[in-house]
Amino acid sequence: AQSVTQLGSHVSVSEGALVLLRCNYSSSVPPYLFWYVQYPNQGLQLLLKYTSAATLVKGINGFEAEFKKSETSFHLTKPSAHMSDAAEYFCAVSGLYNQGGKLIFGQGTELSVKP
Amino acid sequence: DGGITQSPKYLFRKEGQNVTLSCEQNLNHDAMYWYRQDPGQGLRLIYYSQIVNDFQKGDIAEGYSVSREKKESFPLTVTSAQKNPTAFYLCASSIRQGARNSPLHFGNGTRLTVT
Repeated sequence: AQSVTQLGSHVSVSEGALVLLRCNYSSSVPPYLFWYVQYPNQGLQLLLKYTSAATLVKGINGFEAEFKKSETSFHLTKPSAHMSDAAEYFCAVSGLYNQGGKLIFGQGTELSVKP
Repeated sequence: DGGITQSPKYLFRKEGQNVTLSCEQNLNHDAMYWYRQDPGQGLRLIYYSQIVNDFQKGDIAEGYSVSREKKESFPLTVTSAQKNPTAFYLCASSIRQGARNSPLHFGNGTRLTVT
């Protein structure tokens, strides 16, 4: 079965510090993985996606994520946090071949950035 | 610009009433999805549709109904049978049916409050 676990429902960093948001997945088939960001009362915006082309994926707003098959992880990082990065972040894994392209989401991690 | 429009943004209903949430997309996407978001629970799939006049139940379909009479539209009805309908509802679309590596594009959501 497909599932995603995001470690830490809340992460707080100082402005300029490294951002690390953790995501581990379970997949019975080769996974496709996604990170989304959500600002309050808005929909989800795609940050980046892993679709097997390269293990290090660069996304928008300076974020990147590394796919590690041996660790079943897809952690999201950003070298230097900005106040505008404060939001909720969701990791997602693709469903199975017969599941219509749906995504299975983790619980979300709320990122706070302190000045 | 192409996108997904959800309306209204805020919706208030009395318990026992059915309510329909609108979702329209002009992205020419084949597949559409409804997710429910509750604090600390991530996103859970209610229904999805891969083509017109066809849809499948997601993980939490009880108390909800959908239709897909047009490619552009995928309305969700929250019925009085839904025991805990107060939530943030997100509509999404994907470029083609069954494509596991395609990201979902989201609308800005409808916040439903039932009292």
